Amino acid sequence: GQQLNQSPQSMFIQEGEDVSMNCTSSSIFNTWLWYKQDPGEGPVLLIALYKAGELTSNGRLTAQFGITRKDSFLNISASIPSDVGIYFCAGLHFYNQGGKLIFGQGTELSVKP
Amino acid sequence: DGGITQSPKYLFRKEGQNVTLSCEQNLNHDAMYWYRQDPGQGLRLIYYSQIVNDFQKGDIAEGYSVSREKKESFPLTVTSAQKNPTAFYLCASSPLAGSYNEQFFGPGTRLTVL
Repeated sequence: GQQLNQSPQSMFIQEGEDVSMNCTSSSIFNTWLWYKQDPGEGPVLLIALYKAGELTSNGRLTAQFGITRKDSFLNISASIPSDVGIYFCAGLHFYNQGGKLIFGQGTELSVKP
Repeated sequence: DGGITQSPKYLFRKEGQNVTLSCEQNLNHDAMYWYRQDPGQGLRLIYYSQIVNDFQKGDIAEGYSVSREKKESFPLTVTSAQKNPTAFYLCASSPLAGSYNEQFFGPGTRLTVL
């Protein structure tokens, strides 16, 4: 099945630094979702985006729905140790079948105190 | 509390045995999904169901089977035909209402086949 191109694959940063990750697709999406997964747990929804150009914040997290509908980014400001985990983007095609999401491969974030 | 439950958290089985993973939701969501996750990898869709008594194959359905007899339940059976069943299995549900199709995940079941 199709997958999104998510980058970077991994990041090692110092506590307090800002983080940026993005996802790109060759096809148009009408919804972008960002999830965080802690080790051994299910992904938790962080931010949902529904409109091209939309910029949405959730605390220190900010995500944007690209104007072309083919990309999205997630920023984390002033990172803290509990930000450690794997971040996944997911997209829903404009003509989706049964709400099937397309997932990125994930960005593994490590934060050094 | 509303949510999605998966049981058990850890499951061990001998090779050649079928095993059924449970997934229950009390969110009144129409759609339910099963994913498989291997170490360091993303999520791959096994099966999904939009309505009771109906389900569709995902990208990696071979060796798996599902049923959807009740809206709140979507059990997954890993059969002996699945060549490499050891993995982390995630269940999700979605309201499937208009454009708002966020999927919400359960805590997962880690299956180890010995």
